[in-house]
Amino acid sequence: GNSVTQMEGPVTLSEEAFLTINCTYTATGYPSLFWYVQYPGEGLQLLLKATKADDKGSNKGFEATYRKETTSFHLEKGSVQVSDSAVYFCALSISNFGNEKLTFGTGTRLTIIP
Amino acid sequence: KAGVTQTPRYLIKTRGQQVTLSCSPISGHRSVSWYQQTPGQGLQFLFEYFSETQRNKGNFPGRFSGRQFSNSRSEMNVSTLELGDSALYLCASARAGTLNTEAFFGQGTRLTVV
Repeated sequence: GNSVTQMEGPVTLSEEAFLTINCTYTATGYPSLFWYVQYPGEGLQLLLKATKADDKGSNKGFEATYRKETTSFHLEKGSVQVSDSAVYFCALSISNFGNEKLTFGTGTRLTIIP
Repeated sequence: KAGVTQTPRYLIKTRGQQVTLSCSPISGHRSVSWYQQTPGQGLQFLFEYFSETQRNKGNFPGRFSGRQFSNSRSEMNVSTLELGDSALYLCASARAGTLNTEAFFGQGTRLTVV
């Protein structure tokens, strides 16, 4: 089956520190990969995505590269801000003209201290 | 463009009762999926509807059911509520019909069973 393994949290960093949240996946077929972010009391927001090997997704200073050889999609940001404090979820989907389903990792809670 | 709307935002029910949650997808989106989020189990897929048909179902008991209307709005129903059904229920809509569609989430309905 499909699965996503995510770095255990919580992660606490100082403002302007470098962030990496590791994510690896197992999938049959060719998945699309996503990072979602969840702020307190909210639903999930799509942060970035990549749909094929070597694609780099980026948004709001966050980046992740789809690495097929290592089955990874690590999230990075060069300089985090207090407003980045949230829970981050790595996810995959294998959309095949009619099978829309996301498989999520367990989530990583990130806290940025000033 | 309006986002995914879930109602109600909060709900308190008594064990043994039933509950109905509603989701209005983004205009033009025909796929609606439901997820259950709990601290212990994380995000788990419930089911997905497309053009009023359930296409995919997660591993939940038959007490959990759903439907989709001709305008793509969806409802999910949980009968004979148990304490363990307390969770944040998230709805996601997607355009679907193509490869690699991304899902957009609502803010969720927080259900508390007492």
